[in-house]
Amino acid sequence: GQQLNQSPQSMFIQEGEDVSMNCTSSSIFNTWLWYKQDPGEGPVLLIALYKAGELTSNGRLTAQFGITRKDSFLNISASIPSDVGIYFCAGQRNNDMRFGAGTRLTVKP
Amino acid sequence: DSGVTQTPKHLITATGQRVTLRCSPRSGDLSVYWYQQSLDQGLQFLIQYYNGEERAKGNILERFSAQQFPDLHSELNLSSLELGDSALYFCASSKDRDYEQYFGPGTRLTVT
Repeated sequence: GQQLNQSPQSMFIQEGEDVSMNCTSSSIFNTWLWYKQDPGEGPVLLIALYKAGELTSNGRLTAQFGITRKDSFLNISASIPSDVGIYFCAGQRNNDMRFGAGTRLTVKP
Repeated sequence: DSGVTQTPKHLITATGQRVTLRCSPRSGDLSVYWYQQSLDQGLQFLIQYYNGEERAKGNILERFSAQQFPDLHSELNLSSLELGDSALYFCASSKDRDYEQYFGPGTRLTVT
């Protein structure tokens, strides 16, 4: 299926800064998922969201399921060097699963 | 560790050959998904199985096929391989539709 619109494509930040990325779609979804992928590795699930308006945290990560069910954002607070990687979103509705192209995060110490 | 296992980790083969990739889902998960990820590309959904039955098809070529066995493990068969089939192939599992998917470590296929 069509990819989700994920932005920004890449980010270069200083250690300690906060990061925000988002995904939008023209379609509604029942579930929004956020993953982190290191080169050559499998994506690792960070946060799963199931209800419109839901705000969920996982340590320094916070994600929200947009009220329109067509968007989601992920925030990372106080970034550290190990946050480097590619983050991507996924939206699910029944058998339709779509992915964002990813946000490549670089953290400078 | 996601609990999803995939074998082999690496596979190198020649054009025209056939290979089989194997995936074991997390304990309790009935649904298995297969994805292809080419170099610096996003994930492309190939096919989904639920409790042994095909549930959804994505951009899967006719040269590719898959199945899910009674013990819930799944195999992805790739035949008449071409250079362009070189990619990372991931398997993911979930309890059911609209639940979070957990990905395996992937199989890196190189076709020479």
